[in-house]
Amino acid sequence: GEDVEQSLFLSVREGDSSVINCTYTDSSSTYLYWYKQEPGAGLQLLTYIFSNMDMKQDQRLTVLLNKKDKHLSLRIADTQTGDSAIYFCAETPGGSYIPTFGRGTSLIVHP
Amino acid sequence: NAGVTQTPKFRILKIGQSMTLQCTQDMNHNYMYWYRQDPGMGLKLIYYSVGAGITDKGEVPNGYNVSRSTTEDFPLRLELAAPSQTSVYFCASTTTGQGEAFFGQGTRLTVV
Repeated sequence: GEDVEQSLFLSVREGDSSVINCTYTDSSSTYLYWYKQEPGAGLQLLTYIFSNMDMKQDQRLTVLLNKKDKHLSLRIADTQTGDSAIYFCAETPGGSYIPTFGRGTSLIVHP
Repeated sequence: NAGVTQTPKFRILKIGQSMTLQCTQDMNHNYMYWYRQDPGMGLKLIYYSVGAGITDKGEVPNGYNVSRSTTEDFPLRLELAAPSQTSVYFCASTTTGQGEAFFGQGTRLTVV
């Protein structure tokens, strides 16, 4: 099965909150990442969290980490049309130098 | 810094033709990667390199080759293009392998 799993689509109304979920398998990962891919572009780092943290907040973004369940989530408050993109969850397992990505969640924001 | 630069941005190849996708980075990163992205399938690792002169296969290496003669450059070679290689290709690099990955803009390849 996939090392990193995420749902493929999420549709929200402008102004609502979006929550994108991810499960990962390797508990030795030091960092867990969220990348954003806009149409026709490469991936860019959006935010990350250390594995010894439960939560990280950065303006409209909140990352929650549940290490027991190996579950990571990204909450975007007051979602805007400019947030429409594909969001990838990623980890680099301990002892590895290869970032592993989920399939990506397409976030569609409609008026 | 330009970051990671890929060329070309778009290419159409006929079945059986060859081409090289270029990737260069100016951040002095040791670790470089080639991924392909297919709709709904995420990123699949083709090849990676941990430094000049060292390369290794990823998850989907068949039909591709790489070289790493310098720290900056990591070209990906397709020898006999097949329709299954129609995809978007991304080159990426990291400092230590554990940190943030920096991506190029991608090469959209169509094999007809």
